[in-house]
Amino acid sequence: EAEVAQSPRYKITEKSQAVAFWCDPISGHATLYWYRQILGQGPELLVQFQDESVVDDSQLPKDRFSAERLKGVDSTLKIQPAELGDSAMYLCASSLEGTGDTQYFGPGTRLTVL
Amino acid sequence: AQSVTQLGSHVSVSEGALVLLRCNYSSSVPPYLFWYVQYPNQGLQLLLKYTSAATLVKGINGFEAEFKKSETSFHLTKPSAHMSDAAEYFCAVSGPFSGGYNKLIFGAGTRLAVHP
Repeated sequence: EAEVAQSPRYKITEKSQAVAFWCDPISGHATLYWYRQILGQGPELLVQFQDESVVDDSQLPKDRFSAERLKGVDSTLKIQPAELGDSAMYLCASSLEGTGDTQYFGPGTRLTVL
Repeated sequence: AQSVTQLGSHVSVSEGALVLLRCNYSSSVPPYLFWYVQYPNQGLQLLLKYTSAATLVKGINGFEAEFKKSETSFHLTKPSAHMSDAAEYFCAVSGPFSGGYNKLIFGAGTRLAVHP
């Protein structure tokens, strides 16, 4: 069964450092999502791509976060500089295009900022 | 604004007992509704999905949910709990919200504990 791949699974960094997360969606899925999940809360959408274009980044802290999906396949989420409050689980998901399509999630990257 | 409310951040049941996890939503458009399960340090796994084809939706691992439009509810049930059901459960709604289509809005989650 096809799965969403993410790496690394765990990342520990010091504040003010740069970090990057990678996601490879299910083959053929045009839509890719990055979510942030703070401990004890539900995931919150950071950015959504349709192919290589951003369709929703309203909740992305653009002063320090950036995301790209250059060839419309895999994607990278970057934080620079990292802050203590960025400690969270970062989840990637993908879906076929279209409202109501099921989103399939990867295993996530657990970020700890010291 | 669209929102999802999960009543009870923690639910505890005995093995073999009925599981009931509550979810209420608000949406300005007909919603798609989902239940996901999350085990510690893992991603989210789809349990079931409502797409208006039927109000009673059956999912994996013996779970089911009923869509009640008049109550704006989508509660998750399982007749007999198993130890392996212990996890965090999230209710979510999606639709063409806030300019981005297919955006998922999650509830805060309910942690289910199952006791022997």
